[in-house]
Amino acid sequence: DAGVIQSPRHEVTEMGQEVTLRCKPISGHNSLFWYRQTMMRGLELLIYFNNNVPIDDSGMPEDRFSAKMPNASFSTLKIQPSEPRDSAVYFCASSPGGGGKGDTQYFGPGTRLTVL
Amino acid sequence: GDSVTQMEGPVTLSEEAFLTINCTYTATGYPSLFWYVQYPGEGLQLLLKATKADDKGSNKGFEATYRKETTSFHLEKGSVQVSDSAVYFCALTSGSARQLTFGSGTQLTVLP
Repeated sequence: DAGVIQSPRHEVTEMGQEVTLRCKPISGHNSLFWYRQTMMRGLELLIYFNNNVPIDDSGMPEDRFSAKMPNASFSTLKIQPSEPRDSAVYFCASSPGGGGKGDTQYFGPGTRLTVL
Repeated sequence: GDSVTQMEGPVTLSEEAFLTINCTYTATGYPSLFWYVQYPGEGLQLLLKATKADDKGSNKGFEATYRKETTSFHLEKGSVQVSDSAVYFCALTSGSARQLTFGSGTQLTVLP
């Protein structure tokens, strides 16, 4: 399998612009996670989906952030409007979802976002 | 809430040295414990895991034992290589939650 695919790998944008990050999970996995990595806060969960349904979005920073999973093979994370403090590496991960809390999560390569 | 505490880095070792990275956790119930590794410019990869007390996870010469009595999951390797240079993250999932709670990460540099 190709693994988790994220695009773009790098994004540089100006404050106020809309940013859309994309993720294709591993085929057959039914849980999908969005994490953000910063120097100050480390790795933190933003949102996760199970069977395309958002289960926990308590980590989404504010209304500027939204995430969708229209089908089992695609998810987006949108920031509108973007701010410099959103600069981070955003990771998507997927897991089979059938093994409960022992499931392994498989991470994509990440999208490095820079907001000027 | 759940939390993971890792030893502060960075850690610098010579090739073939012994490695220990300490990890302790706080969680409700019986968590599953993980070590992930992040090589420069890449995403995280699972290194090893343990899902119940006294289990030992192992992979690529790395080992960690799930110690419920000390709430610890320390990572060890008997002889590190330059290629082991990376950031190592201890993490857990607990209860019905499937998301990972991560420690702050430990940067390891192995010198030839």
